[in-house]
Amino acid sequence: QVHLKESGPGLVKPWGTLSLTCAVSGGSISNTNWWSWVRQTPGKGLEWIAEIYQTGGTNYNPSLRSRVGISIDKSKNQFSLRLAFVTAADTAIYFCAGVGPSGRWDSWGQGTLVTVSS
Amino acid sequence: QTVVTQEPSLTVSPGGTVTLTCASSTGPVTSGYYPNWFQQKRGHAPRALIYNTANKHSWTPARFSGSLLGGKAALTLSGVQPEDEAEYYCLLNYGGAWVFGGGTKLTVL
Repeated sequence: QVHLKESGPGLVKPWGTLSLTCAVSGGSISNTNWWSWVRQTPGKGLEWIAEIYQTGGTNYNPSLRSRVGISIDKSKNQFSLRLAFVTAADTAIYFCAGVGPSGRWDSWGQGTLVTVSS
Repeated sequence: QTVVTQEPSLTVSPGGTVTLTCASSTGPVTSGYYPNWFQQKRGHAPRALIYNTANKHSWTPARFSGSLLGGKAALTLSGVQPEDEAEYYCLLNYGGAWVFGGGTKLTVL
C-alpha cells in the first residue's frame, strides 16, 4: 500500500484557484489504476471530485466539471488538482486517494484543509 | 442528480450485529456499481473496509462483511466492538463517476 500526502496553500481567496498536489511514495504512480480527489466540508459528508487514470484519462464530478482540472506527473510520482473560481462553499478538507482494479479504493492521504476567505 | 442513501444513524450494543445499507436513486445496486465501504473516525481520513461489494482488504477485521441485500449494498458488523463507533460511508460507481452516500453514524451503546 502506497503512502499519499497532500500539499498546497491552506488559504485561497474567493474567485481564485485552488491548487493541490498529492505525492505518492512507497510505490510507482503507474502501479495503481486511478488516482482520485475527494473533499469533505467541515462536519459534513464526503464528495468525490475527480479521478485520473495512469495514462491520463479523466473523469469528473458533473457538478464541478466546469471548474476542475486534474493532472498527473509520472516523473515526480504525483498528481494534482485545480479548482477555479472558488467560493466559501469550497472550504473543505481535501483528500487524495488511490483506486486499483475493480474499483478497489485502498490508499488515502491524511487530508489537507483549504479555507476560502479574503 | 444521482443520490446514494444511507441510514443517517444506527445504534448497536457491544457484541451485537448491525447492518448498514446503501441505496441508489437510479435503481437496485448491483456489483457493477463496485460498492466500497469506508470507516471514518473524527479527525481522521476514511479507512477502506470493503471493495467490489464483498471483498475485504488485508487490514479489514473479520467481523466486517459486505453484500448485496434487497437491491442495496450492505455492510454487516458481527460482534460489534466499542472501537467500531464511527461514521461509515458507501461509495458507488456510475460509469466513470463516483458518488458517496451521506454516511451512517454508528453508535455503540
